[in-house]
Amino acid sequence: AQKITQTQPGMFVQEKEAVTLDCTYDTSDPSYGLFWYKQPSSGEMIFLIYQGSYDQQNATEGRYSLNFQKARKSANLVISASQLGDSAMYFCAMREYSSNDYKLSFGAGTTVTVRA
Amino acid sequence: EPEVTQTPSHQVTQMGQEVILRCVPISNHLYFYWYRQILGQKVEFLVSFYNNEISEKSEIFDDQFSVERPDGSNFTLKIRSTKLEDSAMYFCASSDDGRSGNTIYFGEGSWLTVV
Repeated sequence: AQKITQTQPGMFVQEKEAVTLDCTYDTSDPSYGLFWYKQPSSGEMIFLIYQGSYDQQNATEGRYSLNFQKARKSANLVISASQLGDSAMYFCAMREYSSNDYKLSFGAGTTVTVRA
Repeated sequence: EPEVTQTPSHQVTQMGQEVILRCVPISNHLYFYWYRQILGQKVEFLVSFYNNEISEKSEIFDDQFSVERPDGSNFTLKIRSTKLEDSAMYFCASSDDGRSGNTIYFGEGSWLTVV
């Protein structure tokens, strides 16, 4: 079964507008972490933001915020004030901690294209 | 800011040849990983390495693959006899421990093209 689901293969957003990237996850582990990575066309994987399952508040990092809805098992990424440099593939990923399984499981990704 | 470094950035190899991809993880990190991403597809876990041994591997990581930490800094992925379907971007990653909140940092990747 898919652990991470990203249902939006591609999105367009106007420069300076906000965009929300959807991510739902599936786990029975009470202790887990959710990550978002950005992959520009050059190929590298850039860490953006982290949310732990026990964190009470939604994570924020500059223009990135994570809308964590634990009961719905969703961890959507919000990019505010989009810039042309935000055009990239975005991956949601999860780590489960209770089983000593520390690998990241990735979703299929969402391509974001920012229009001027 | 410390970073994970990978070499080569791009390698073209003949089918059946051996390939070694090299990685220098962040110096105080304890967990090391290899992932791969076939062009246009999702990132797939290959193997994790801790305390000088493999801690987990996926079904992709068959007998053709091996990992090694030959000294205190390098972490290598070897593919013994490459196949066309091994063509992919290979990412090395590291984290300081496995506890919650610790980010996994990725290198810039090594493009492998098997011809």
